[in-house]
Amino acid sequence: GAGVSQSPSNKVTEKGKDVELRCDPISGHTALYWYRQSLGQGLEFLIYFQGNSAPDKSGLPSDRFSAERTGGSVSTLTIQRTQQEDSAVYLCASSLVYGGGYDLANTGELFFGEGSRLTVL
Amino acid sequence: AQSVTQLGSHVSVSEGALVLLRCNYSSSVPPYLFWYVQYPNQGLQLLLKYTSAATLVKGINGFEAEFKKSETSFHLTKPSAHMSDAAEYFCAVANAGGTSYGKLTFGQGTILTVHP
Repeated sequence: GAGVSQSPSNKVTEKGKDVELRCDPISGHTALYWYRQSLGQGLEFLIYFQGNSAPDKSGLPSDRFSAERTGGSVSTLTIQRTQQEDSAVYLCASSLVYGGGYDLANTGELFFGEGSRLTVL
Repeated sequence: AQSVTQLGSHVSVSEGALVLLRCNYSSSVPPYLFWYVQYPNQGLQLLLKYTSAATLVKGINGFEAEFKKSETSFHLTKPSAHMSDAAEYFCAVANAGGTSYGKLTFGQGTILTVHP
């Protein structure tokens, strides 16, 4: 597609329910990232995918959070047993990786989607 | 560990006035530095980036930033503000080199308001 697409754009759920957030990166972008934007915490890195593998998942806040990526394309972020503190905007970004590999000077810019706003009641 | 401090959560300027958004960073390794802009209900868009080439970096929409290692700063400026510049601006830092990929540490953001 023309840009990074995320769905749903808004999700309201009850505490304790599971939610899935989807990210469709720009076609051909091998790197994919999830970030979380919340009041008081700002923008936080969650996880990085290169292809279908996740070399860095250090930002996932707890074992209730998981993410996968299939076919080197679409990624799903799953939050189990949601809590009120999970309320935030979840942003997905993708980028090309070329040249020297992981060096951000070579990877180009990150292209962000519009985010999925999650509200846990 | 890396960190970014943006001085001033809100900045207000008149149309045509100088825009100055302050960013200071802390990094134990050479940094890459970025400024992103976020318009309401939109994703983040890259304004400019410093990746160890020229210390004065020019970006889109007339913005520029200067990397000053001695001051650990990367302030964003624009000579003349336009109404369309009203948005939230984020400074971010990443490790330079082979492990940097897209793991950015962001500042808390500065909301820029432009008055007619």
